[in-house]
Amino acid sequence: QKEVEQNSGPLSVPEGAIASLNCTYSDRGSQSFFWYRQYSGKSPELIMFIYSNGDKEDGRFTAQLNKASQYVSLLIRDSQPSDSATYLCASLYNFNKFYFGSGTKLNVKP
Amino acid sequence: KAGVTQTPRYLIKTRGQQVTLSCSPISGHRSVSWYQQTPGQGLQFLFEYFSETQRNKGNFPGRFSGRQFSNSRSEMNVSTLELGDSALYLCASSLEWTSDEQFFGPGTRLTVL
Repeated sequence: QKEVEQNSGPLSVPEGAIASLNCTYSDRGSQSFFWYRQYSGKSPELIMFIYSNGDKEDGRFTAQLNKASQYVSLLIRDSQPSDSATYLCASLYNFNKFYFGSGTKLNVKP
Repeated sequence: KAGVTQTPRYLIKTRGQQVTLSCSPISGHRSVSWYQQTPGQGLQFLFEYFSETQRNKGNFPGRFSGRQFSNSRSEMNVSTLELGDSALYLCASSLEWTSDEQFFGPGTRLTVL
């Protein structure tokens, strides 16, 4: 079993809709969780991180963490075609090891 | 401020050969982590260096090794290459700790024939 699991997609949403990306993790010792965006042929770039239960908002992005369910999600409001990319979820274990999911491919259709 | 740089960007090797990849972190960053990215396995942590010492290591065989120099530049070496080593190798730098925001370099695309 992988440490971090994501649905590979693709997830297709129309422009202006809310895109919901989900990830589960297996180790309860994980402290923080990160969402990265990776455009095709490019390297990952950090969107946001979360370490407390609940929601964290940054512009059009909202990260949600539920430690009891070991579940992390990323909501993208007012999705734009430029949001089309692969989204990687990562957990930080023991403050020193990152585990990445395989990523969910998001397509935002104009 | 310049970003993370990796050289070479592309590399083609044959089975059994060895390869050395280089990473220069953002100026002032002292932590360098290496990752392997493949379509099947996703992004997998190889190791992390801080102040010339390997601080953390992922679950890769001993053929994968690395080092860090006093100027924080890092190299990664893979010996006795196998077909399965074909991947994008990404380097990420952070200020002090792995938990700091990591900035990724453009990667080195290694193809093993």
